[in-house]
Amino acid sequence: DGGITQSPKYLFRKEGQNVTLSCEQNLNHDAMYWYRQDPGQGLRLIYYSQIVNDFQKGDIAEGYSVSREKKESFPLTVTSAQKNPTAFYLCASETGMNTEAFFGQGTRLTVV
Amino acid sequence: GENVEQHPSTLSVQEGDSAVIKCTYSDSASNYFPWYKQELGKGPQLIIDIRSNVGEKKDQRIAVTLNKTAKHFSLHITETQPEDSAVYFCAARNNDMRFGAGTRLTVKP
Repeated sequence: DGGITQSPKYLFRKEGQNVTLSCEQNLNHDAMYWYRQDPGQGLRLIYYSQIVNDFQKGDIAEGYSVSREKKESFPLTVTSAQKNPTAFYLCASETGMNTEAFFGQGTRLTVV
Repeated sequence: GENVEQHPSTLSVQEGDSAVIKCTYSDSASNYFPWYKQELGKGPQLIIDIRSNVGEKKDQRIAVTLNKTAKHFSLHITETQPEDSAVYFCAARNNDMRFGAGTRLTVKP
């Protein structure tokens, strides 16, 4: 079945540690996105990528990094520089041609 | 970059009534406007979308209208049911996709 998969579903991190969230899609989509969602809040854009080996910062990129070495994969690293990383992280992909974006089920990151 | 504002933040209606959610956007180059429904602990799912060359689109109980001149678009849900209760997001797409802050819709039986 085609889809977009985020892992893990729940992630705990100690302060000062980097952690990487996985996002994989087998939909052959060119564009991929990372959003952060805080309780009762909307989706804020962290990074996006329109094509392999290229990505752009969104509104809240500070403290995060990404890579897009393969079309199927767009991992997000939450670095120790992110002051308040506890949140729900959503990955999405789309064809890049103004069509439906498909979301993963999200990763809930908690800093302990 | 694009800025999307969404109102209201919460909406409570009686089962069978209509619900309307409104969004405005800032970038006149945006040309694709989807609406997503998010249930608790899950990723958002598309419910309807509209492109800039269309003024209105309907799918059963759900309709979306777009006014490009005024840069606003709206979601209309008729004959609401308890299972319509969720958080709804509007979005606008140009080079990237930006979302509104969401509307928590509660349909009371």
